[in-house]
Amino acid sequence: DAKTTQPPSMDCAEGRAANLPCNHSTISGNEYVYWYRQIHSQGPQYIIHGLKNNETNEMASLIITEDRKSSTLILPHATLRDTAVYYCIDWDAGNMLTFGGGTRLMVKP
Amino acid sequence: EAQVTQNPRYLITVTGKKLTVTCSQNMNHEYMSWYRQDPGLGLRQIYYSMNVEVTDKGDVPEGYKVSRKEKRNFPLILESPSPNQTSLYFCASSFGPGGEQFFGPGTRLTVL
Repeated sequence: DAKTTQPPSMDCAEGRAANLPCNHSTISGNEYVYWYRQIHSQGPQYIIHGLKNNETNEMASLIITEDRKSSTLILPHATLRDTAVYYCIDWDAGNMLTFGGGTRLMVKP
Repeated sequence: EAQVTQNPRYLITVTGKKLTVTCSQNMNHEYMSWYRQDPGLGLRQIYYSMNVEVTDKGDVPEGYKVSRKEKRNFPLILESPSPNQTSLYFCASSFGPGGEQFFGPGTRLTVL
């Protein structure tokens, strides 16, 4: 079973920031926080990952709380093409990659 | 172009007829894995491979076989497909177990 908890769905207005939350209540010290997304039935796409510090790349920013029990993925200027299911995953090298239900983000005009 | 390819993309078959879904990556990745995706159940890992000739079971390995004779290829074999294996299948690869995983486009399998 997935170890993370995400809201099943969210809406966001086009051009606005999309903030997707994730709870990691059982995350262990050596597990990274990973975010992927899946557009329709395409293969999942890696977005970003982090351990303790906040991270930013060309796609998104990742904010991890100090206790690491929660994280937020931020898409700074959401577009219609960002409509997808977003998955957060706790993962270390010794475990399987387990995808939960994810958050279905709908970006609306 | 760096990519993971899967073939076939769509397949309709009958119960008991052996089939193979191929997966190939051109990124010299050591780690490869197979997932199936079903409505309401999310993505579940079937098998993974840390390197050539090294494979291990994932979360739902029953009814599947894999092989890793070459670094670039990781075929998924269904010796005797059954209707409960009707699903959307994804292959993925990465340099190691951590880091960015690259997923293939998916294979939609229907077993009648």
